[in-house]
Amino acid sequence: GENVEQHPSTLSVQEGDSAVIKCTYSDSASNYFPWYKQELGKGPQLIIDIRSNVGEKKDQRIAVTLNKTAKHFSLHITETQPEDSAVYFCAASITGGGNKLTFGTGTQLKVEL
Amino acid sequence: KAGVTQTPRYLIKTRGQQVTLSCSPISGHRSVSWYQQTPGQGLQFLFEYFSETQRNKGNFPGRFSGRQFSNSRSEMNVSTLELGDSALYLCASSLTLYYEQYFGPGTRLTVT
Repeated sequence: GENVEQHPSTLSVQEGDSAVIKCTYSDSASNYFPWYKQELGKGPQLIIDIRSNVGEKKDQRIAVTLNKTAKHFSLHITETQPEDSAVYFCAASITGGGNKLTFGTGTQLKVEL
Repeated sequence: KAGVTQTPRYLIKTRGQQVTLSCSPISGHRSVSWYQQTPGQGLQFLFEYFSETQRNKGNFPGRFSGRQFSNSRSEMNVSTLELGDSALYLCASSLTLYYEQYFGPGTRLTVT
């Protein structure tokens, strides 16, 4: 089955700096890659996603890039703010696999003042 | 538009008991998926329902089951609870298959 690896497990940045989280997937049939932000005591919140026919997608300070050849995708957060502090999860789903998401292990992002 | 709601939010059960968790998807959404989140195993897919039919199932024992009703609301049941079933159970809804999924706040189950 699909396997998703996520790095780093923890990331500490200064406010205003950029943060990058990377994920790799194993199944070349994967075609949908969402990113979720989870704050303490809450469910994961979808922040951005990308499909395999697109190489990059941006939404304000957040961007996701996808390299299908290398089977990896990354989340980029620019101008980080304290409210960006949370756990971020990448995920992947396979063509024909319905809505089943395979998640990475998460990255604890801490934005320091 | 109201988000995904899950009830109850917290639950404490004893080993051997059974439990039923409920999920109401976003209005108009027809697909519901369930995930288990634990510190050790992370987020793991349990099952997925669309139009009252289970479309996909994860690698969990038969003690874990679910169903979806005609109004798209879903329930999951865990029988003969074990200590290892303590987890945050998350429900996600989607307009249909292959669309974005939105998670509810989860039900925190503690088995003692």
